Amino acid sequence: QSVLTQPPSVSAAPGQKVTISCSGSSSNFGNYYVSWYQQLPGTAPKLLIYDNDKRPSGIPDRFSGSKSGTSATLGITGLQTGDEADYYCGTWDSSLSAAVFGGGTKLTVL
Amino acid sequence: EVQLVESGGGIVQPGGSLRLSCAVSGFTLSSYWMHWVRQAPGKGLVWVSRMNGDGRFTTYADSVKGRFTISRDNAKNTLYLQMNSLRPDDTAVYYCARDSLPGFDSWGQGTLVTVSS
Repeated sequence: QSVLTQPPSVSAAPGQKVTISCSGSSSNFGNYYVSWYQQLPGTAPKLLIYDNDKRPSGIPDRFSGSKSGTSATLGITGLQTGDEADYYCGTWDSSLSAAVFGGGTKLTVL
Repeated sequence: EVQLVESGGGIVQPGGSLRLSCAVSGFTLSSYWMHWVRQAPGKGLVWVSRMNGDGRFTTYADSVKGRFTISRDNAKNTLYLQMNSLRPDDTAVYYCARDSLPGFDSWGQGTLVTVSS
């Protein structure tokens, strides 16, 4: 199983808000920033959030990130059908000396 | 425009070898840490390896340590992953990714490696 823990799936209606949680430990979230990635079906991952809560250029402000202690959260407001994708959290783990990802969360926009 | 293009994937028998390449453009390769990340069919992202800008520092996931070697040729703007002693559980799409911001801010389209007899 993954070092970072995410729910396997979340769902919400178009226009609504959804949050995706990511739980880690002191060896990863305790020392390092968290990033979030969106993977649309059949495509490569795309960076959504870096440094816990910052958006790269071109990422709409419907996407937000936060971190508290050893947990992080991705928020998506104004859900669109085009947001249906797998979402992954990621960071560095000092105990493993490795980058680590969550198992991924599949978002369904009903 | 930043671009990363992987190549070299294919079908290989268990115990065989492959070398993946990641050709980059739109940025100076030597200025960035670069990573390989893989994704088995229907599964999540798994980090494989990283290398710093000048190629002197590398790290590997335990699952590939001693079998895979990351390298780069900054003059050719290309990152490599030499994979030896391949096993069926190495079957995956392999992505190269640039480390910036911090976070993996740019990814290639991936190349599929299938290890099967």
